[in-house]
Amino acid sequence: NAGVTQTPKFQVLKTGQSMTLQCAQDMNHEYMSWYRQDPGMGLRLIHYSVGAGITDQGEVPNGYNVSRSTTEDFPLRLLSAAPSQTSVYFCASRTSWTLIDEKLFFGSGTQLSVL
Amino acid sequence: AQTVTQSQPEMSVQEAETVTLSCTYDTSESDYYLFWYKQPPSRQMILVIRQEAYKQQNATENRFSVNFQKAAKSFSLKISDSQLGDAAMYFCAYRSWDYGQNFVFGPGTRLSVLP
Repeated sequence: NAGVTQTPKFQVLKTGQSMTLQCAQDMNHEYMSWYRQDPGMGLRLIHYSVGAGITDQGEVPNGYNVSRSTTEDFPLRLLSAAPSQTSVYFCASRTSWTLIDEKLFFGSGTQLSVL
Repeated sequence: AQTVTQSQPEMSVQEAETVTLSCTYDTSESDYYLFWYKQPPSRQMILVIRQEAYKQQNATENRFSVNFQKAAKSFSLKISDSQLGDAAMYFCAYRSWDYGQNFVFGPGTRLSVLP
């Protein structure tokens, strides 16, 4: 059971380049989300999805796009990378957004540097 | 919007001793869940313990326990008999009943364990 799989683990971009961070889960989880982790800021929610075809903005959505065409996949797109997007990105999922006591299952993270 | 504060950016403890990490949060809700996550240098996010606001009894998981003070909106984590493997970043997180029931994380406390 792979759980939540994120690719790539490391990425270096130049300002203005675009890229997609991939996230896939094999646990049939309805809820998926993207966080960014910055020193002194903790993890901040970028976008989330409560099911296939449904996405919503989190606390820091600017500069990022998401889509959820299948239950398994939730890619995060950077259309024009900026140095402020240098961060560690985590994908996380859980069975259902309505199960209040359930923990989040995290991917292993992507270290992104934008030069 | 809920906020989570961890006032200790860094802490250290001697091996085999006890340490307490602080967490406070701001909310107007009466029921919610609180979590502590551990992030070792591997970057993996590991659930340590969780507590439902409606439960008076403090949660305990082996050497980890919490001191939940609902009126004070405080949720501290106590680690007893500290081990070298406890060295990590610790994040306090709040989860509410609103749409998406997203997690709000604190800024984290970096714990060092001294041999």
